[in-house]
Amino acid sequence: GQSLEQPSEVTAVEGAIVQINCTYQTSGFYGLSWYQQHDGGAPTFLSYNALDGLEETGRFSSFLSRSDSYGYLLLQELQMKDSASYFCVGNTGGFKTIFGAGTRLFVKA
Amino acid sequence: NAGVTQTPKFRVLKTGQSMTLLCAQDMNHEYMYWYRQDPGMGLRLIHYSVGEGTTAKGEVPDGYNVSRLKKQNFLLGLESAAPSQTSVYFCASSPSRGNQPQHFGDGTRLSIL
Repeated sequence: GQSLEQPSEVTAVEGAIVQINCTYQTSGFYGLSWYQQHDGGAPTFLSYNALDGLEETGRFSSFLSRSDSYGYLLLQELQMKDSASYFCVGNTGGFKTIFGAGTRLFVKA
Repeated sequence: NAGVTQTPKFRVLKTGQSMTLLCAQDMNHEYMYWYRQDPGMGLRLIHYSVGEGTTAKGEVPDGYNVSRLKKQNFLLGLESAAPSQTSVYFCASSPSRGNQPQHFGDGTRLSIL
């Protein structure tokens, strides 16, 4: 089957750095994306790794290692507004996407 | 700058009733998707479309039908609603074959009694 595993919850302090890991088991894997979702809101796109390596967008960075079936999202200089759920999303070829169950990030003052 | 618009935003149905959820995008995207999200879970793909007049099944298609008669619209139908279909439904669109990024609507909260 196809699945993505990520921690259910992570807690960090404002101003700190946090890493959310994602491991996957998929066939025909074509890249890993990350989405943020605040309670009651819609998912919003953060980043996409089609190739191995690090992608940086402002305070957010995402990494992919296809040989290890592993990726992570790195959030720096955490702010209270970063408290949300974060989903890793696998692109499995064709036009299908598989979402992980999500990691709920709590940022404390 | 509307992006992806879903109607209605909320709906309560009785078991066995039918309804259609409408998704409209104004970004001229080729690819559109319908997902459902249940509490504490990620989104699961119901159906998707790679262009006007085409549709395909996703991960959880049973009990749903879709149509894409116009490029900007993607309709999700429930022919005979069941309590198991109580969920939040999200529509998304994407400009590229790599299907990232996807732009999401605000969701439709559907309760079936």
